Amino acid sequence: EAAVTQSPRNKVTVTGGNVTLSCRQTNSHNYMYWYRQDTGHGLRLIHYSYGAGNLQIGDVPDGYKATRTTQEDFFLLLELASPSQTSLYFCASSDNQGATNERLFFGHGTKLSVL
Amino acid sequence: QQKVQQSPESLIVPEGGMASLNCTSSDRNVDYFWWYRQHSGKSPKMLMSIFSNGEKEEGRFTVHLNKASLHTSLHIRDSQPSDSALYLCAASIMGYKLTFGTGTSLLVDP
Repeated sequence: EAAVTQSPRNKVTVTGGNVTLSCRQTNSHNYMYWYRQDTGHGLRLIHYSYGAGNLQIGDVPDGYKATRTTQEDFFLLLELASPSQTSLYFCASSDNQGATNERLFFGHGTKLSVL
Repeated sequence: QQKVQQSPESLIVPEGGMASLNCTSSDRNVDYFWWYRQHSGKSPKMLMSIFSNGEKEEGRFTVHLNKASLHTSLHIRDSQPSDSALYLCAASIMGYKLTFGTGTSLLVDP
């Protein structure tokens, strides 16, 4: 099964703090995604990328930056963290070989608390 | 931005019973649907996908799709306690940038 590794697993920061969430996939997938999951909202797409150096805006991008440094590595940056960004963050990858083969492989998630 | 609505929010079925979950998209351009399952404390994993009108069966799981009404449903027969999880419906246009619903929380009562 495809491997997606997120770090850290848990993070606590203060309002205004600077946070970087990391994601690495070793599946040679082109697409990588950052989602946040909150009760009552489901999974919401923050940013995604289809290759190194590429970045696409998702549905809830405000307050987040992202960078795809290599095919394997995708980072999510919160430069001025706010309590509203307290959430469970998932990274996912897919090879998007064709729409009918599209399948997301998720990491274990990062639980972020902003105090 | 399309919306994906799921119902019910939560569902309790007895062990061995049938669970039926519903999902509808608000965007008429949507043409692909997926069902993901997320056990408590775990990450979502794809369960089934459907792209054509009709029905698709895999073991105890059956998915229906009506593209005219943009409605899909997931049916689990002979439900087991291990089926207790959050079921997430996702929809997309042309197969990428999936939009997820808020999920149905299923509890199978032994």
